[in-house]
Amino acid sequence: DQQVKQNSPSLSVQEGRISILNCDYTNSMFDYFLWYKKYPAEGPTFLISISSIKDKNEDGRFTVFLNKSAKHLSLHIVPSQPGDSAVYFCAARSVTGNQFYFGTGTSLTVIP
Amino acid sequence: DVKVTQSSRYLVKRTGEKVFLECVQDMDHENMFWYRQDPGLGLRLIYFSYDVKMKEKGDIPEGYSVSREKKERFSLILESASTNQTSMYLCASSWTSGGTGELFFGEGSRLTVL
Repeated sequence: DQQVKQNSPSLSVQEGRISILNCDYTNSMFDYFLWYKKYPAEGPTFLISISSIKDKNEDGRFTVFLNKSAKHLSLHIVPSQPGDSAVYFCAARSVTGNQFYFGTGTSLTVIP
Repeated sequence: DVKVTQSSRYLVKRTGEKVFLECVQDMDHENMFWYRQDPGLGLRLIYFSYDVKMKEKGDIPEGYSVSREKKERFSLILESASTNQTSMYLCASSWTSGGTGELFFGEGSRLTVL
């Protein structure tokens, strides 16, 4: 049973605009939520994470929002750039610290 | 900088061959993982290990085995490769607690089984 879900397989955004990627989870026993970016034929690259005790974390153009009541997190990229075009995975880490659950990914295309 | 190194970026093997994929991390992480990534299916966990000589099955362990004889090294073994094991294999490692909760990935090993 998928504990972390990304319901949008793809997203297209104009350069300079905001990209919003969404993720839902079903289990409350997670202590961190993470976002990764992946180019073809490469390993995932860590973007940003958020502790379950926070509701927002920001790093440059990337902001992650966590809504615990809705069991929902989102990644905002502002402004979007063509180099942001990649597959984005959200993930959740169990409170035991040794298990991670991944969504199926959202393919972002930023149009110049 | 944390480094997770996978032994081969690209491999081509024949059906029935035994395949070894090796992974080394340099940050004294307790946990190490093997995932495979296929289009539309995301990252699926094959096995993980939380200590030397310890291993736990993930979501898709069938057809795979693992070995962790030293803390820094985690090997994935395909005893008899099959075409449906053609995939991107990703090794990762992490601490159990602290930090940003990050899972550190290697660059991936693209395996093609003919």
